[in-house]
Amino acid sequence: AQSVAQPEDQVNVAEGNPLTVKCTYSVSGNPYLFWYVQYPNRGLQFLLKYITGDNLVKGSYGFEAEFNKSQTSFHLKKPSALVSDSALYFCAVRDTGRRALTFGSGTRLQVQP
Amino acid sequence: DGGITQSPKYLFRKEGQNVTLSCEQNLNHDAMYWYRQDPGQGLRLIYYSQIVNDFQKGDIAEGYSVSREKKESFPLTVTSAQKNPTAFYLCASSVADLDGYTFGSGTRLTVV
Repeated sequence: AQSVAQPEDQVNVAEGNPLTVKCTYSVSGNPYLFWYVQYPNRGLQFLLKYITGDNLVKGSYGFEAEFNKSQTSFHLKKPSALVSDSALYFCAVRDTGRRALTFGSGTRLQVQP
Repeated sequence: DGGITQSPKYLFRKEGQNVTLSCEQNLNHDAMYWYRQDPGQGLRLIYYSQIVNDFQKGDIAEGYSVSREKKESFPLTVTSAQKNPTAFYLCASSVADLDGYTFGSGTRLTVV
């Protein structure tokens, strides 16, 4: 079965500094990977996805993610963090067996002014 | 504006009651999904549907039921068989399963 792991429950970063939120995956076959963001008491918002092609994927709000097949990772990055980026971030993988996403446990990003 | 609407926003259930959570989308999406969110556990898949009149169980389908009689609607019933239903429930839709999901704002269900 497909799975994703987000090893950090929380990431703290100062405003203006680069940020990285980590995600590793386990799949049989081609990986289809996604990142979502959730603000308090709201649904999730789609940020970006990797299906095929360039290993660096650009998404919404200045976020990007780097796909690394050898390390089975799909880390979310942003060059300069904003306080408004503070939220809960989820990595997800599409389950080839059942055509639905399996989500990680989430990483809370806290950007300090 | 196109979107996905979940109602109610808050729902209280007494022990032994069945309750139904509504999910409606006007995005013309074929696929719809229900997830449950508990603190520290991320999202877990309850049911999903790729097309009208067809749906499949996810990881935690026990104690839940769904229907997909219309493309726009995918209601979730939490039955009395679900022993720990207190959670945040999220509905989502997508054009196809490799597209990004559009999520509703969620329903917070509490057992009283």
